Amino acid sequence: DQQVKQNSPSLSVQEGRISILNCDYTNSMFDYFLWYKKYPAEGPTFLISISSIKDKNEDGRFTVFLNKSAKHLSLHIVPSQPGDSAVYFCAATHSGTYKYIFGTGTRLKVLA
Amino acid sequence: DTAVSQTPKYLVTQMGNDKSIKCEQNLGHDTMYWYKQDSKKFLKIMFSYNNKELIINETVPNRFSPKSPDKAHLNLHINSLELGDSAVYFCASSQEVPTSGGASSYNEQFFGPGTRLTVL
Repeated sequence: DQQVKQNSPSLSVQEGRISILNCDYTNSMFDYFLWYKKYPAEGPTFLISISSIKDKNEDGRFTVFLNKSAKHLSLHIVPSQPGDSAVYFCAATHSGTYKYIFGTGTRLKVLA
Repeated sequence: DTAVSQTPKYLVTQMGNDKSIKCEQNLGHDTMYWYKQDSKKFLKIMFSYNNKELIINETVPNRFSPKSPDKAHLNLHINSLELGDSAVYFCASSQEVPTSGGASSYNEQFFGPGTRLTVL
């Protein structure tokens, strides 16, 4: 039972354009969502997060949008840079459970 | 200074052997985790420890035994290794309190570089 889904395994974007990565979840108990970035042979690194009391959180070039009614979140990267090429995982948790459910990742390739 | 470190980075072994993976974090976090990333790239939680106490055990075979000698260490011992245990194992840690500046870094986890286990 995959509670967090990233339906696009890969995405290619031109440098300077916007990258939009999507994530859907099924468990309405989730109240905190995170995005991680992963380079080959490294562990995931935290990028940005959002609490369910918000619908948007912005940090520099990265913005996460949350649509609770649709159980959908997205990560926008603008402008995209070649160094953003990596696998992006979304994760969700119910605060206090210490349990994080990860999506299967989307491989982003930013073309120079 | 590495925040979350794991040893070894690569581990190749025969079926039936017993092996351990070590994890250390120098962030002063209270909670540590083990994740398994299989060939389909699913990153699934296996165990979580908070202040040396086991709080999550996700239907992992009892051949896997985590041990937390102190808050900074969470080791994973695997008995009678099987082919299906081949995966990348990630250790992580987190501090379950808000950071200054608001919710943007709450519950963030710091991951180690991973240990690629290959069972032959």
